[in-house]
Amino acid sequence: QVYVMESGGGVVQPGRSLRLSCASSGFTFRYYAMNWVRQAPGKGLQWVALISYDGSNEYYAESVKGRFTISRDNSKNTLFLQMNSLRVDDTAVYYCVRGIMVTISRPGSNPWGPGTMVTVSS
Amino acid sequence: NFMLTQSHSVSESPGKTVTISCTRSSGSIASNYVQWYQQRPGSAPTTVIYENNKRLSEIPDRFSGSIDSSSNSASLTISGLKTEDEADYYCQSYDGDILVFGGGTKLTVL
Repeated sequence: QVYVMESGGGVVQPGRSLRLSCASSGFTFRYYAMNWVRQAPGKGLQWVALISYDGSNEYYAESVKGRFTISRDNSKNTLFLQMNSLRVDDTAVYYCVRGIMVTISRPGSNPWGPGTMVTVSS
Repeated sequence: NFMLTQSHSVSESPGKTVTISCTRSSGSIASNYVQWYQQRPGSAPTTVIYENNKRLSEIPDRFSGSIDSSSNSASLTISGLKTEDEADYYCQSYDGDILVFGGGTKLTVL
């Protein structure tokens, strides 16, 4: 069964850090680009960051550039998001979303996990 | 860079058919795959259509997807509407490998 499962969210004060993880199973993780996507309360889906299948390239939304770092461990089928200098407007549910498969340049049907809630508040 | 524009909301009666559109602002809609996600209140999104028009077996065939190059848009059509279809629907495409989301359409079935 194909699945992803996010973890690591919580309540944190502005300016502090948090590290999210995403465990995956049921597909060849190392063949896929991976993304973090967030959804602020009552808002739509917003792309946050992308990492290439082999970890050699990273891309970030302007709103998080310089503060967030995406990484992956292909030996453990796990995706990470290191979030530093957190702001109140980073409050959201964070989802890891599978991207495009490198070998055939197709996304397939993305599995969605339950997400992990990050609340930034003093 | 491009944007995907969706209407904010749509409503229809049970048993009817509704079409939700997603218009790409620049570049061809056919250049990159389009995915459609359903998000019921309080739940995570789920994928209802992938690669423009494909469905996993667990998605009812009442859901269908298409793209139209003449209007540079993608569409999600839901036939035989059920109250359980009431949800937010998001289109998503790719700018290279980067995900681009539409703003979402709230479907009300009343």
